Amino acid sequence: KQEVTQIPAALSVPEGENLVLNCSFTDSAIYNLQWFRQDPGKGLTSLLLIQSSQREQTSGRLNASLDKSSGRSTLYIAASQPGDSATYLCAVRGNNDMRFGAGTRLTVKP
Amino acid sequence: KAGVTQTPRYLIKTRGQQVTLSCSPISGHRSVSWYQQTPGQGLQFLFEYFSETQRNKGNFPGRFSGRQFSNSRSEMNVSTLELGDSALYLCASSSRGASGGAITDTQYFGPGTRLTVL
Repeated sequence: KQEVTQIPAALSVPEGENLVLNCSFTDSAIYNLQWFRQDPGKGLTSLLLIQSSQREQTSGRLNASLDKSSGRSTLYIAASQPGDSATYLCAVRGNNDMRFGAGTRLTVKP
Repeated sequence: KAGVTQTPRYLIKTRGQQVTLSCSPISGHRSVSWYQQTPGQGLQFLFEYFSETQRNKGNFPGRFSGRQFSNSRSEMNVSTLELGDSALYLCASSSRGASGGAITDTQYFGPGTRLTVL
């Protein structure tokens, strides 16, 4: 059974810092991995999707990497801003479902 | 292009009642998935529909059911509501593109329906 873990559970940084969020999964037989952000009481916004054959994806200040063999993914946020404050979730797509981590709650202080 | 829409946004029911939630996917998307989000369990997969057929089902009791219509709109139903069913129910759509047999889709989520069971 696929288990997805995100570390840390919460993170607080001053504005302008670069930061890394971590996601690990136990079963490497995945189709893809997706990073989302969720604002309080809202749905999820897709940030980046990495196919199992890819190593990384970039969008603006965001860069996500995937090491399928070790069961790890990282989300790198450059030059963080207060508007980046949200909960970040990673999700692993397997054959039968999509499994989510518990998320990292990020606070970027002005 | 309009995003995923879910109705209603908020619902209050009492134990024992049943409820139906609706999801309209992004135009052209043929896959709809449903998730339950609670503070204790996080996001859990309920089921996935593609072209009116249920393709996958999560580990939920039979009180949870769903269907998809020919226009790709989907509904989920929860019968005999329990207090523990209080949650944010999220719907996601994707084109469910396939490349070499792999599932390559990006999932786009709606705002959710917040269900409170009293």
